[in-house]
Amino acid sequence: EDQVTQSPEALRLQEGESSSLNCSYTVSGLRGLFWYRQDPGKGPEFLFTLYSAGEEKEKERLKATLTKKESFLHITAPKPEDSATYLCAAAYSGAGSYQLTFGKGTKLSVIP
Amino acid sequence: GAGVSQSPSNKVTEKGKDVELRCDPISGHTALYWYRQSLGQGLEFLIYFQGNSAPDKSGLPSDRFSAERTGGSVSTLTIQRTQQEDSAVYLCASSKRLYYGYTFGSGTRLTVV
Repeated sequence: EDQVTQSPEALRLQEGESSSLNCSYTVSGLRGLFWYRQDPGKGPEFLFTLYSAGEEKEKERLKATLTKKESFLHITAPKPEDSATYLCAAAYSGAGSYQLTFGKGTKLSVIP
Repeated sequence: GAGVSQSPSNKVTEKGKDVELRCDPISGHTALYWYRQSLGQGLEFLIYFQGNSAPDKSGLPSDRFSAERTGGSVSTLTIQRTQQEDSAVYLCASSKRLYYGYTFGSGTRLTVV
């Protein structure tokens, strides 16, 4: 069964304490690996798409990387405003390839 | 518009009533998707529209759920004879093309009492 698993479920960091969130996937024919940020009461906000192993993308304090089995979202020197739930999702070949299969998310709390 | 617009933002309905949820995608985005987010669960795909092609309804959980998209733009998700398990946040998203970052709306929080 195609799956996307995120870990940890929740993460508390002190302001400035860098860390990484993990997204492992077991899908056939990955077409794209997506990262989203979701704030309470809002829809997911698009961050990155990664298409092939070895690819990296950066935006401010966030850097996303991709291997053949997992993706990492690295957060460097986080600030309280980075607190949110981070979702990853995979699009893959086969029936419904345009569907995104989402993980359950990592809830990040950054303490001042 | 600048973003994906959904209405209403909140809806409380009695069990057994029908509800309609509306999505207005970004202008020029040909692809439109509906997802459902339940407490403690990941986002669940419901239905996909692409241009004038027949929609992919494979994610709809039962025949009480239906959706249409008029004029390649606005979409309406209809839930008939609502049940308590239908309570969730219903999210709409649009994109320019496949495998491109979807833009989500803020969702409709549906509560069935």
